[in-house]
Amino acid sequence: EPEVTQTPSHQVTQMGQEVILRCVPISNHLYFYWYRQILGQKVEFLVSFYNNEISEKSEIFDDQFSVERPDGSNFTLKIRSTKLEDSAMYFCASKGDRVGEKLFFGSGTQLSVL
Amino acid sequence: AQSVAQPEDQVNVAEGNPLTVKCTYSVSGNPYLFWYVQYPNRGLQFLLKYITGDNLVKGSYGFEAEFNKSQTSFHLKKPSALVSDSALYFCAVRPPSGGSYIPTFGRGTSLIVHP
Repeated sequence: EPEVTQTPSHQVTQMGQEVILRCVPISNHLYFYWYRQILGQKVEFLVSFYNNEISEKSEIFDDQFSVERPDGSNFTLKIRSTKLEDSAMYFCASKGDRVGEKLFFGSGTQLSVL
Repeated sequence: AQSVAQPEDQVNVAEGNPLTVKCTYSVSGNPYLFWYVQYPNRGLQFLLKYITGDNLVKGSYGFEAEFNKSQTSFHLKKPSALVSDSALYFCAVRPPSGGSYIPTFGRGTSLIVHP
């Protein structure tokens, strides 16, 4: 089965630093998502991306966050100035265009902000 | 707004016994419901979904789930648990139309199957 690839698997950063989390979605998929999971809590939706623009975002996705699909294959999540509470597992997901189709998730990037 | 509740943080079951992982939801209209599983160091993997039709849906690895509209539930079941079923299970819901198509996930239930 095709896979969504995320790099790095672990990222440690200092508070206030910028981080970029990278994802390679499945090649023929059209919808892209970032979710995050703080330890012991729900998997929370951050943002969805379709047709080269953000289609929806949650309250978590404030001005410190941005997404980009720079080259037609990668899908990145940037956090400009990380905070301690940004520490979480970040999951990228992608989906084709059929109604009710499942999401394919990457294995996640564990972000630790010190 | 849609929401999902998984009331149990952890479910313990002996190998060979039936298992149930509970999920209730809140959404406008007829829901699309999903179960995903997460093994250690892996992303969430799709198990099964309900969109319409038969209330009992069958999925991967012998799992099934029953949609109950009156109880707004979508519990995950398996007749005979395996140790290898031990993982984190997530229920998700999204409305079929008219609003956010984004799946909302629960907090997950850790299933531990004892030999």
